[in-house]
Amino acid sequence: ELKVEQNPLFLSMQEGKNYTIYCNYSTTSDRLYWYRQDPGKSLESLFVLLSNGAVKQEGRLMASLDTKARLSTLHITAAVHDLSATYFCAVAWGFGNEKLTFGTGTRLTIIP
Amino acid sequence: DTEVTQTPKHLVMGMTNKKSLKCEQHMGHRAMYWYKQKAKKPPELMFVYSYEKLSINESVPSRFSPECPNSSLLNLHLHALQPEDSALYLCASSQRWGAPGELFFGEGSRLTVL
Repeated sequence: ELKVEQNPLFLSMQEGKNYTIYCNYSTTSDRLYWYRQDPGKSLESLFVLLSNGAVKQEGRLMASLDTKARLSTLHITAAVHDLSATYFCAVAWGFGNEKLTFGTGTRLTIIP
Repeated sequence: DTEVTQTPKHLVMGMTNKKSLKCEQHMGHRAMYWYKQKAKKPPELMFVYSYEKLSINESVPSRFSPECPNSSLLNLHLHALQPEDSALYLCASSQRWGAPGELFFGEGSRLTVL
């Protein structure tokens, strides 16, 4: 059974600062997703990473995937209040990448 | 149209009621999913339909009964639920089950079981 762990679980940071969220997983996979969820809302897709070394950037967020280390990172640059949300990574695994398991989630609060 | 539409948005039901959640997509996706999310927890996979056939049932109790009448629709029939079944139920779709690409989620149906 796949385990997907995120670190940290809670993150409070000041506007303008940089920080990184880590996503570790326990089995082979070359497909990883990052989602954002606002309180009481659904999941918004941020990034789809499909190969080792993949890096994607959108605005102040940048995601990367290292399949050999079984690690993905979500880097936040110069945080702004609007980025406050819960961030989930999700790993596709199984014989045909047919299962998607979500990480524990990181609740991010940006303080003005 | 990149939307997955779920109805109802909110549902309150008693333990003896029968109700259904509905999900619809018109993106031509052939894989559809039900996820359950408890408060402050990650979503957990319940069911996967691929080409209108049930492909994964993650040992979900029989009081939850999925149905995929056609490639655009996914239902979740609810009967004799327990209060611990209260959660946000999320429907998602993707082009094909197991293929790379985005999973699109609906807004969810928030279920409260009294």
